[in-house]
Amino acid sequence: EAAVTQSPRNKVAVTGGKVTLSCNQTNNHNNMYWYRQDTGHGLRLIHYSYGAGSTEKGDIPDGYKASRPSQENFSLILELATPSQTSVYFCASGDPTGGSQNTLYFGAGTRLSVL
Amino acid sequence: GDSVTQKEGLVTLTEGLPVMLNCTYQTIYSNAFLFWYVHYLNESPRLLLKSSTDNKRTEHQGFHATLHKSSSSFHLQKSSAQLSDSALYYCALSTGANTGKLTFGHGTILRVHP
Repeated sequence: EAAVTQSPRNKVAVTGGKVTLSCNQTNNHNNMYWYRQDTGHGLRLIHYSYGAGSTEKGDIPDGYKASRPSQENFSLILELATPSQTSVYFCASGDPTGGSQNTLYFGAGTRLSVL
Repeated sequence: GDSVTQKEGLVTLTEGLPVMLNCTYQTIYSNAFLFWYVHYLNESPRLLLKSSTDNKRTEHQGFHATLHKSSSSFHLQKSSAQLSDSALYYCALSTGANTGKLTFGHGTILRVHP
């Protein structure tokens, strides 16, 4: 069954530490996305990718880097984690067809706490 | 840039009453695609329904919505709320200009009680 898998599911990090969130998809989708979910803000796009080797800045990229080493894997990297990055992070995959009919398939989320 | 507004942060309903969650959007592009995603507790957000056709009703799992480009709206409705409908609902917009990116609203929590 096609799926988007995120790891870890929960993470506690210290301020200034490096955090890597991983995402793997078996949907064979070209596009992958990283969103964060915060009360009052909804889902906000951090980085996205059109395929292996590609990363693009989303709406709130500051403090985050992304890496897409393969079609299946897309990582989000926090080089110097800050408490403001405490959030729930969702990875998604999608494959736009016929223009913008892009249904996104989400992972289960990673709850990150930066202390 | 594109934006989506969901004016209600929380909607509380009694089971059996009709549901209406508001969604309006802004974009300079004419080829808007609108989506409703539902996020149940401890699950992944998933697509509920979508539309790009003006004035055509789209339905799924008892919910329906009609895209009205004249008013830039895509309200989600259901005739009779069920306890199992309690969830977080997101309206989202995609246009041909951003190649697959979705812009989400802030979300509306729907709580249905007996």
